[in-house]
Amino acid sequence: SYEVTQPPSVSVSPGQTAIIPCSGEKLGDKYVCWYQQKPGQSPLLVIFQDKKRPSGIPERFSGSNSGNTSTLTISGTQAMDEADYYCQAWDSISDGVFGGGTKLTVL
Amino acid sequence: EVKLVESGGGLVQPGGSLRLSCAASGSTFGNYWMHWVRQAPGKGLVWVSRIDSDGTGTTYADSVKGRFTISRDNARNTLYLQMNSLRAEDTAVYYCARERDVSYLDLWGQGTLLTVAS
Repeated sequence: SYEVTQPPSVSVSPGQTAIIPCSGEKLGDKYVCWYQQKPGQSPLLVIFQDKKRPSGIPERFSGSNSGNTSTLTISGTQAMDEADYYCQAWDSISDGVFGGGTKLTVL
Repeated sequence: EVKLVESGGGLVQPGGSLRLSCAASGSTFGNYWMHWVRQAPGKGLVWVSRIDSDGTGTTYADSVKGRFTISRDNARNTLYLQMNSLRAEDTAVYYCARERDVSYLDLWGQGTLLTVAS
């Protein structure tokens, strides 16, 4: 079965750029989306179809997907962005598989 | 505002059964494929099951195949997950979520906690 991999944790200083990778075989051939989850809350979609932002998601969130890696980038990271982030990969023959999640620490 | 509200979680003994429900507000529930996703305490998100818009097509994670059944009642705007032969490792918060464009889940419920323990 298909798998995608994320680092368990990423740290960033306030105002700096956070980069969270998600890797999988030929991931660039699939659609990738990203979810943010804060403690005690449901997941929130922040990026879909590799690089699109849902309404209400700040412009500092962006995404890319090519080759074997998709990346969530948070520019000018704020304290409120501290959360767990999950990538999810989709294609026409499989349901969305989640990465293990990355805990983003803003310090 | 469209919302998803799960219910039916609780404490069940190993080997037991339980049915989760997900009630959707709004009149467009029947247009969307729906999913169940679970999250064990302190762990990550895990996809569980998916059902197409009219309920004729379903898929399951290997870990629940043969034990869980997803279904829906579009007239009642409700999604279900029948869970049988429950195991300790099924303990998790179960979320229902709405799929869009075969590529993302744009609407999630608040989750319902299932605990399997004796």
